[in-house]
Amino acid sequence: GENVEQHPSTLSVQEGDSAVIKCTYSDSASNYFPWYKQELGKRPQLIIDIRSNVGEKKDQRIAVTLNKTAKHFSLHITETQPEDSAVYFCAPRGNGGYQKVTFGTGTKLQVIP
Amino acid sequence: DAGVIQSPRHEVTEMGQEVTLRCKPISGHNSLFWYRQTMMRGLELLIYFNNNVPIDDSGMPEDRFSAKMPNASFSTLKIQPSEPRDSAVYFCASSFSGSGANVLTFGAGSRLTVL
Repeated sequence: GENVEQHPSTLSVQEGDSAVIKCTYSDSASNYFPWYKQELGKRPQLIIDIRSNVGEKKDQRIAVTLNKTAKHFSLHITETQPEDSAVYFCAPRGNGGYQKVTFGTGTKLQVIP
Repeated sequence: DAGVIQSPRHEVTEMGQEVTLRCKPISGHNSLFWYRQTMMRGLELLIYFNNNVPIDDSGMPEDRFSAKMPNASFSTLKIQPSEPRDSAVYFCASSFSGSGANVLTFGAGSRLTVL
């Protein structure tokens, strides 16, 4: 099965600084790379995703970059705000209905005002 | 669409009792996933279904856990008998596994406490 690791496990940044979280996966067949955000007491929700034919995708202050050769992808958050404080999960998977969705171990981001 | 609906939202029960958690996926979604979340183990995939058929139940902890999906709009996760170590938040998620669509939509979760 897919081995998914995230680094770091916790991250504290000052408001306004940037944050980067890295996800490493093992299955070379993975072709879809999403990031989910889970606020305290809430459900995980998709915030950005990228497919294997694209190297980078941006959506306002967040971006995802993919290195398929090295089998890792990263979440970048710029100009962090207190509301970015949450746990972030990656969940690489293949296409189709027979692919497990294994979540990474999670990264707890704390943005200090 | 009301999203993925889970019930109950909270359940407190005593060790040895049967627990049934319910999930209604988003209409039109053909994949359904059950996850368990704890501080120590993170988000663990227990089982997933595609077109109502269980595809992989290797994450189910032991025989005390069972899951069914009798139709496209309903799934249950049952624990019998329950134990204190089963205390966790159980999430159901659904997705449409078709070309280019792989987004999981989660329900609000069922928080289980076994005393």
